[in-house]
Amino acid sequence: GAGVSQTPSNKVTEKGKYVELRCDPISGHTALYWYRQSLGQGPEFLIYFQGTGAADDSGLPNDRFFAVRPEGSVSTLKIQRTERGDSAVYLCASSQTGTPGEKLFFGSGTQLSVL
Amino acid sequence: AQKVTQAQTEISVVEKEDVTLDCVYETRDTTYYLFWYKQPPSGELVFLIRRNSFDEQNEISGRYSWNFQKSTSSFNFTITASQVVDSAVYFCALSTRGGGGNKLTFGTGTQLKVEL
Repeated sequence: GAGVSQTPSNKVTEKGKYVELRCDPISGHTALYWYRQSLGQGPEFLIYFQGTGAADDSGLPNDRFFAVRPEGSVSTLKIQRTERGDSAVYLCASSQTGTPGEKLFFGSGTQLSVL
Repeated sequence: AQKVTQAQTEISVVEKEDVTLDCVYETRDTTYYLFWYKQPPSGELVFLIRRNSFDEQNEISGRYSWNFQKSTSSFNFTITASQVVDSAVYFCALSTRGGGGNKLTFGTGTQLKVEL
C-alpha cells in the first residue's frame, strides 16, 4: 500500500486477555517502530526493528509486551494479560533505512481499550 | 537523556491570525535532529519538517516557517494566516545519533484550534 497500515483500528478487550496488533509498513522500508500514545500525551517509543531483528526494545514497559517481524515486513505487537493501564493508541511507523535523522511515516494507529 | 518541552497545551486563534508554537529541547549530543509532526483528528502523524543540529538556517514553506536557535535550544513553528484546516495537535520531536535507528522523543503536543 501507499502508506503504513495498522489493523484493527479499534480493539476492545477485557482485562487479562491477550491481544495482537498488526502493522504493515511501507514496502521496502527496512526500519519499523512501535510507539504508544496515551490521551493528551506525545507518542512514546516502544521498540525498533531493523529488518527482522529487534534492534532496540528499551521502551517495552514489561515482559507482557512482545513484538515480532518474522519476514522483515509486517510486524505484530503482542500484549499478554492486558491491564487497564495498557489502554492507549498504539502507533506504528516505518522509515527507509533507519538512519538517524530519517523521516518516519506513521500509520493511523490502533486504539486499544482494556475494560 | 533527551527531553522535549512544549509548554503550550492549547492555543485558540481566529482564522487569518498568525500563531507560533514553541518547542524547547534538551540533549547532550552534539549531533541531533529536530522534527515537527501534525496530528489531525484522524490520528495519523504527518511529517512537516526535519532539521539537523548543524543547520541553523530558518526555513519557510508556504504559510509555515521554522525558527531554529541552538543558543536557546528552541525550534519554534509559525503558521502565517492560519486556516481552519490547520486545526490539529502539533508535536515537536528529537532524535540523536546515539539512539537506536531514529528513535524519536516527542513533546506533549500543542492543540491548535483555528476558528472562523
